[in-house]
Amino acid sequence: NAGVTQTPKFQVLKTGQSMTLQCAQDMNHNSMYWYRQDPGMGLRLIYYSASEGTTDKGEVPNGYNVSRLNKREFSLRLESAAPSQTSVYFCASEWEAAYGYTFGSGTRLTVV
Amino acid sequence: GIQVEQSPPDLILQEGANSTLRCNFSDSVNNLQWFHQNPWGQLINLFYIPSGTKQNGRLSATTVATERYSLLYISSSQTTDSGVYFCAVGLFYGGSQGNLIFGKGTKLSVKP
Repeated sequence: NAGVTQTPKFQVLKTGQSMTLQCAQDMNHNSMYWYRQDPGMGLRLIYYSASEGTTDKGEVPNGYNVSRLNKREFSLRLESAAPSQTSVYFCASEWEAAYGYTFGSGTRLTVV
Repeated sequence: GIQVEQSPPDLILQEGANSTLRCNFSDSVNNLQWFHQNPWGQLINLFYIPSGTKQNGRLSATTVATERYSLLYISSSQTTDSGVYFCAVGLFYGGSQGNLIFGKGTKLSVKP
């Protein structure tokens, strides 16, 4: 099915461990985004990629790195996980603003 | 940065009732989107509406950009309308760089 695919769906990490969240879209979208959602906080932008080969920081980038591997894939890496990074992470993609975001189904991450 | 405020934070309706959700934003924008997050966490784009009025079935939205607010109308509500409704705004220059700032959402519960 066309859309945005995120893996894994659930993950539990110990403090200090590292991991990479994967995101892939098959809609030939130019822009891709990583958001985190915390209770009562809405969604906050972590990093975005306006096009293949470019990445920029969003509102809450500390503790994260990203890679736009190609037009389809945009990964988010936690180098040394902290309990404050416990959250639900959403990847989104967009062709043009007028067509709106398409979101993946999210990754629920718990850091203990 | 742009501030986004949504009201009310919570709303409980009987099935069949109508409702209006409001989104106020603090600065000029040229990107405004409404999203529905269902009880399973999936985020669905409802409208791209930086100005004007759009309708899609029982849902419609109006944005008055000069007065910096948008309204989402839900008519004849159904239990499947339950979830959280997010307003998100942004300012972009050309192409597809549509970074969005999200409000904290309105949680809607529709009772049978």
